[in-house]
Amino acid sequence: DTGVSQDPRHKITKRGQNVTFRCDPISEHNRLYWYRQTLGQGPEFLTYFQNEAQLEKSRLLSDRFSAERPKGSFSTLEIQRTEQGDSAMYLCASSSKGGLAGETQYFGPGTRLLVL
Amino acid sequence: AQSVTQLDSQVPVFEEAPVELRCNYSSSVSVYLFWYVQYPNQGLQLLLKYLSGSTLVKGINGFEAEFNKSQTSFHLRKPSVHISDTAEYFCAVRSGGYNKLIFGAGTRLAVHP
Repeated sequence: DTGVSQDPRHKITKRGQNVTFRCDPISEHNRLYWYRQTLGQGPEFLTYFQNEAQLEKSRLLSDRFSAERPKGSFSTLEIQRTEQGDSAMYLCASSSKGGLAGETQYFGPGTRLLVL
Repeated sequence: AQSVTQLDSQVPVFEEAPVELRCNYSSSVSVYLFWYVQYPNQGLQLLLKYLSGSTLVKGINGFEAEFNKSQTSFHLRKPSVHISDTAEYFCAVRSGGYNKLIFGAGTRLAVHP
């Protein structure tokens, strides 16, 4: 069990460019979450997958954001036409299914995005 | 809607002193509560959790927390802190039907020699 991994760890881009982040959850965890954390704040929920199905999306997830989990394993988060306000740490978490054990989310190291 | 309030944005403390980081939540239903720690430029590491059972929960690195339903609180404590405990601490509550976590704004613990 290597934990949740995220790639890249850091991304610098120019305003208007598209970026894509990847998250690999803990193996056999069927639930996957994306959060966004801005400087000095706690993480805010973006979206949630159970297997390949995207079951919940936050209003924070504008039309420029899209997330996928095509085979129920890794997930990608894409931001199109980036804006300076998108600069943040993007965190991925996973949890197992069912019961109380499924209540605990384990987080990856995050991808820090800077939009110039 | 559920919410979490961390009452102190910063807590300075001397090494080997005790510390308490305060967390209050609002919820009309049963809750699951968590404390996470974040070191600079890193993700969140789970410190401890309350899911059910004993209201006093023990976590890693000597931390513990007590779930108080009547006061809707989940304060984090450590009897003797170390320099290495310097970090940002986040309290979180489970919300909704799909395990979405609601986080507080965080408390920065600064341990001084």
